Amino acid sequence: KAGVTQTPRYLIKTRGQQVTLSCSPISGHRSVSWYQQTPGQGLQFLFEYFSETQRNKGNFPGRFSGRQFSNSRSEMNVSTLELGDSALYLCASSLANSKEQFFGPGTRLTVL
Amino acid sequence: AQKVTQAQTEISVVEKEDVTLDCVYETRDTTYYLFWYKQPPSGELVFLIRRNSFDEQNEISGRYSWNFQKSTSSFNFTITASQVVDSAVYFCALSRGETSGSRLTFGEGTQLTVNP
Repeated sequence: KAGVTQTPRYLIKTRGQQVTLSCSPISGHRSVSWYQQTPGQGLQFLFEYFSETQRNKGNFPGRFSGRQFSNSRSEMNVSTLELGDSALYLCASSLANSKEQFFGPGTRLTVL
Repeated sequence: AQKVTQAQTEISVVEKEDVTLDCVYETRDTTYYLFWYKQPPSGELVFLIRRNSFDEQNEISGRYSWNFQKSTSSFNFTITASQVVDSAVYFCALSRGETSGSRLTFGEGTQLTVNP
């Protein structure tokens, strides 16, 4: 069974731009979560989607948004990029009502 | 609020040594789950173990073992006879009970370096 896939793997943007990251969960997994990892703040939860609905949201500004499609694929969007948004963005999927999350390889975003 | 603390930022050992990674957690929930993940240089978080709050049995999987003690709110991870391939960042994480989705609260991580 294929694992969680994330595209693109690397991305370079400039301040003020917006970016969209994509995540395809493991087949059969309906829950998708997003995390931001930075050297200063560590791993922080962004949001979780289940059946196309946001189930949980972390403490991030409104510039960070996401959505989930009917096939469980998910996207996250960051608008008006700031230098501090440079990070590794990790996506994780899990079965419905399962606590075990399986992570993708991440998208490394660099904001110049 | 939930919190996970991994006091050891970096640990360096020589191959074949045993090493224990500490994890202390805080939660007001009676039902919760604890996890350990490994993050090699490639960046992907690899799931190692899940333990729920009602199961304090220690677990051993090959060279890995986990010690869960609710009395001290600790969930420590021991690698026996460490190998160079064990070098990675290890994260302890906490998740709330049944109805709260899959959100994980992570500790700061412990960078383990195993030298040949």
